[in-house]
Amino acid sequence: KQEVTQIPAALSVPEGENLVLNCSFTDSAIYNLQWFRQDPGKGLTSLLLIQSSQREQTSGRLNASLDKSSGRSTLYIAASQPGDSATYLCAVGTTDSWGKLQFGAGTQVVVTP
Amino acid sequence: DAGITQSPRYKITETGRQVTLMCHQTWSHSYMFWYRQDLGHGLRLIYYSAAADITDKGEVPDGYVVSRSKTENFPLTLESATRSQTSVYFCASRVQGGSPLHFGNGTRLTVT
Repeated sequence: KQEVTQIPAALSVPEGENLVLNCSFTDSAIYNLQWFRQDPGKGLTSLLLIQSSQREQTSGRLNASLDKSSGRSTLYIAASQPGDSATYLCAVGTTDSWGKLQFGAGTQVVVTP
Repeated sequence: DAGITQSPRYKITETGRQVTLMCHQTWSHSYMFWYRQDLGHGLRLIYYSAAADITDKGEVPDGYVVSRSKTENFPLTLESATRSQTSVYFCASRVQGGSPLHFGNGTRLTVT
């Protein structure tokens, strides 16, 4: 069974610093990997989706990399802002046609002004 | 507005009662999913559906029933609620297997 791990569980950084969030998975046979953001009491918002054939995806200040062979993905958030405070989850997609996602437990990020 | 709507947002029910959580999406996405989110367990898949009348069990299906008679609706029913089913329930949808998954805002269910 695919295991998805996110370390650290919590992270606090001063405003302006770059954020580096890690995600590791045990089975390299994945369909894709998706990063989400979750604000307290809200649903998950999709940030980036990386297909298994891709090495990275970028959107604005966000960049996600994927290294299937080592079972790792990293989400970089440049020049962090207090509004970036949230929990960030990664999820690995299975290779069947359903594309079911296996989630990590998330990293809770606080950006202090 | 387009998107996924879950109702109710909050629900308190008693042990043994039947309760149905509603999920409606306006994108005509083929795939729909139900997850539950609990401290210490993260997000776990309950049931999923690839199209109307096509559903399958996820990781934690016991005690739950789903139906999908129309593409846009995917209700989740707890046949006889137990305290262990106290959780936050999320509905999600996607166009196809490799496309991004989009979530609703969740239903917080408390079973007393």
